[in-house]
Amino acid sequence: GQSLEQPSEVTAVEGAIVQINCTYQTSGFYGLSWYQQHDGGAPTFLSYNALDGLEETGRFSSFLSRSDSYGYLLLQELQMKDSASYFCAVHRSNYQLIWGAGTKLIIKP
Amino acid sequence: DTAVSQTPKYLVTQMGNDKSIKCEQNLGHDTMYWYKQDSKKFLKIMFSYNNKELIINETVPNRFSPKSPDKAHLNLHINSLELGDSAVYFCASSPTGGALDIQYFGAGTRLSVL
Repeated sequence: GQSLEQPSEVTAVEGAIVQINCTYQTSGFYGLSWYQQHDGGAPTFLSYNALDGLEETGRFSSFLSRSDSYGYLLLQELQMKDSASYFCAVHRSNYQLIWGAGTKLIIKP
Repeated sequence: DTAVSQTPKYLVTQMGNDKSIKCEQNLGHDTMYWYKQDSKKFLKIMFSYNNKELIINETVPNRFSPKSPDKAHLNLHINSLELGDSAVYFCASSPTGGALDIQYFGAGTRLSVL
């Protein structure tokens, strides 16, 4: 079967750093994506990892270890506007994006 | 210009009714999708179309019928609406449907079945 595990909720303080983990089990793997969704909004693409290592985009970084079937999203210098749900998604094959259940990030002042 | 637009944004209707949701993308993408997001935020793929051809149909009740008149449009018709159909429905598109594609989402249609 295929599954993705990510924490349902993470709480952090404004200005801090937070890491959201994602472990996956799937047959067929091309890469791991991260999407952000604000309450009432649409999912929007954040980052993608096809190879092992760290990808950095401004305050956000994403990491992948294919051997460990594990990735994480790292958010630095947290701002209140980063309060949202974050989804990891496995690119399994053509037309097949397998989604995690999402992690709600709560940021406190 | 909105890249992926879907209408209506809100839909409130009675059980047993039939309703349609429209989706259009102006990105020139070949592939379009319909997702259902329930109250627990889980995103479930319903259908995937590539150049008007159905690619994925994920065990969705046959009350749901997608139609793609051209590759820029993917509409969703729902017959005999049930309470459990209440959810947010997202349309999305991606360039080719390939395994490395990024998906671009519409703003969602919030369906409430009373």
